[in-house]
Amino acid sequence: IAGITQAPTSQILAAGRRMTLRCTQDMRHNAMYWYRQDLGLGLRLIHYSNTAGTTGKGEVPDGYSVSRANTDDFPLTLASAVPSQTSVYFCASSPGGDVFVTGQGPGYGYTFGSGTRLTVV
Amino acid sequence: GQNIDQPTEMTATEGAIVQINCTYQTSGFNGLFWYQQHAGEAPTFLSYNVLDGLEEKGRFSSFLSRSKGYSYLLLKELQMKDSASYLCAVMDSNYQLIWGAGTKLIIKP
Repeated sequence: IAGITQAPTSQILAAGRRMTLRCTQDMRHNAMYWYRQDLGLGLRLIHYSNTAGTTGKGEVPDGYSVSRANTDDFPLTLASAVPSQTSVYFCASSPGGDVFVTGQGPGYGYTFGSGTRLTVV
Repeated sequence: GQNIDQPTEMTATEGAIVQINCTYQTSGFNGLFWYQQHAGEAPTFLSYNVLDGLEEKGRFSSFLSRSKGYSYLLLKELQMKDSASYLCAVMDSNYQLIWGAGTKLIIKP
């Protein structure tokens, strides 16, 4: 693993089903994020975690839940999928806090996973 | 409220120069970022400005004026591979990124 890995790459899901999108990073970054990206709306933050054991709600948290049991993993769960959750989901990570602001090199900026394209029918 | 504004779409010619503007209003400021996103791919980091002025990195440059809440990304010697969306993002006082909707740049031969 190098960077952030998301799984699955794409999924077609029946409405009402439960699904977990997986995200794993190997950079020992403190902070992790889940975004959804829809045409014309840009990236919208769903949930975030500033450090292992803590999570917070973003701009569009309804219908989603997350957990951060350890530094590397940050799964996103849709408890009962609805068609409006059809989107591309990106996981991202960063060193976090002022480490991020003053950092140099590969830790500069958010690092994104390759995304999960989810279609709810 | 927090707001990032950038043009929805721009068109430019291969070999030319294009400037993509971004204006912002956020609660706190810990830097401004530009990301490039090709269709169907993840965003990738291009530049970071936290002090006023111009940062140059090869064919790409980024400018920041904190007093005006304004930034631009300048792309020189445009190549077809520069066709992508360019995302402006500001880090707020909580060290979270606030994203613009992105500018789709179309390069014509």
